[in-house]
Amino acid sequence: ETGVTQSPTHLIKTRGQQVTLRCSSQSGHNTVSWYQQALGQGPQFIFQYYREEENGRGNFPPRFSGLQFPNYSSELNVNALELDDSALYLCASSSTLNEQFFGPGTRLTVL
Amino acid sequence: KNEVEQSPQNLTAQEGEFITINCSYSVGISALHWLQQHPGGGIVSLFMLSSGKKKHGRLIATINIQEKHSSLHITASHPRDSAVYICAVSLTYNNNDMRFGAGTRLTVKP
Repeated sequence: ETGVTQSPTHLIKTRGQQVTLRCSSQSGHNTVSWYQQALGQGPQFIFQYYREEENGRGNFPPRFSGLQFPNYSSELNVNALELDDSALYLCASSSTLNEQFFGPGTRLTVL
Repeated sequence: KNEVEQSPQNLTAQEGEFITINCSYSVGISALHWLQQHPGGGIVSLFMLSSGKKKHGRLIATINIQEKHSSLHITASHPRDSAVYICAVSLTYNNNDMRFGAGTRLTVKP
């Protein structure tokens, strides 16, 4: 059974660019959640996908969007990048009512 | 004020010491989670609990729903326990609204 994987590990972008981050869920998990963790802070919930539909959203602007695919892998897209978007982006998969399993994260730097 | 508050922010202990990290929350919750984050960012879920107490090895987590308070205890601490410990709460049964504490940075010295 493979765990949750994320790609890329690190990414550097400039302001105004767009970025796509990817997450592969743990086998058998149909729910994926995305989080943003700024340096020195706890994670903040961005949104959750369940069976390819958005199933809850935190306080993030519409330029943060996502997708979940039939194999339950997921993407996080951020448009019009801002300096404050620099953070560690974490995804976590779960089987709805069970505990979440986190990926290693993608560290995004916006210059 | 954060909905999830942890204390202390930083904690340094000698190997073998008993450690307690506290978490208080101000919202109604479905479950509380204790997470461990090592340098580099990866997060491991230690406990998910909604009442009482859970134990896994040297780790013990307790929750008092009436007082909206949880504690994470580490017995016989070891340098490999050094990490950031994060308390998080689920506001819904399916974890689609989670709030996180800022974390407690634990350093255990040999």
